[in-house]
Amino acid sequence: NAGVTQTPKFQVLKTGQSMTLQCAQDMNHNSMYWYRQDPGMGLRLIYYSASEGTTDKGEVPNGYNVSRLNKREFSLRLESAAPSQTSVYFCASSRLDRGLNGELFFGEGSRLTVL
Amino acid sequence: AQSVTQLDSQVPVFEEAPVELRCNYSSSVSVYLFWYVQYPNQGLQLLLKYLSGSTLVKGINGFEAEFNKSQTSFHLRKPSVHISDTAEYFCAVNILTGGGNKLTFGTGTQLKVEL
Repeated sequence: NAGVTQTPKFQVLKTGQSMTLQCAQDMNHNSMYWYRQDPGMGLRLIYYSASEGTTDKGEVPNGYNVSRLNKREFSLRLESAAPSQTSVYFCASSRLDRGLNGELFFGEGSRLTVL
Repeated sequence: AQSVTQLDSQVPVFEEAPVELRCNYSSSVSVYLFWYVQYPNQGLQLLLKYLSGSTLVKGINGFEAEFNKSQTSFHLRKPSVHISDTAEYFCAVNILTGGGNKLTFGTGTQLKVEL
């Protein structure tokens, strides 16, 4: 049982380039999330999807777009990468709507560096 | 807005000593509270959670936490730590409102267990 799988694990971009982080879960969860983790700032919610076909902004959505492709997959796109987007990105999923019971299952993270 | 405060960014402790990691939250309504652990280069995993009932909750790896509503705290404790407990620990809160719920993380506490 793979849980939450993120790709790629590492990526280096130049300023202005675009890329998509992929996330897939095999737990039949309704809700999926994208967080970024920065030193001293904990995890901050970028976007989330309560259910297939819906997406909502989180705390730090600027510069990002998301797509809930189907129930399993939730991608995060950087259209024009900036150095401020250098971070570790985590995808997570949960069984109930918007993590009502709060038990999120996390992927192993994608480390992105923007030069 | 809901918030979570972890006052200690780093906590060094010797092996077999007790440890307490502090967490305070701000909310005037009901909450769900969580502790997650992140081992190096991994995603977060749930350590324990408080949803309702007994204010003392037990989690994995011998950790426990006590919910104190009057002090709005949810401190994590372990009576005797092991070198393998070295990790970053995140407190998180899910504030229950009619409009929906969102999980907010603290900034994390790095626990370093030394021999």
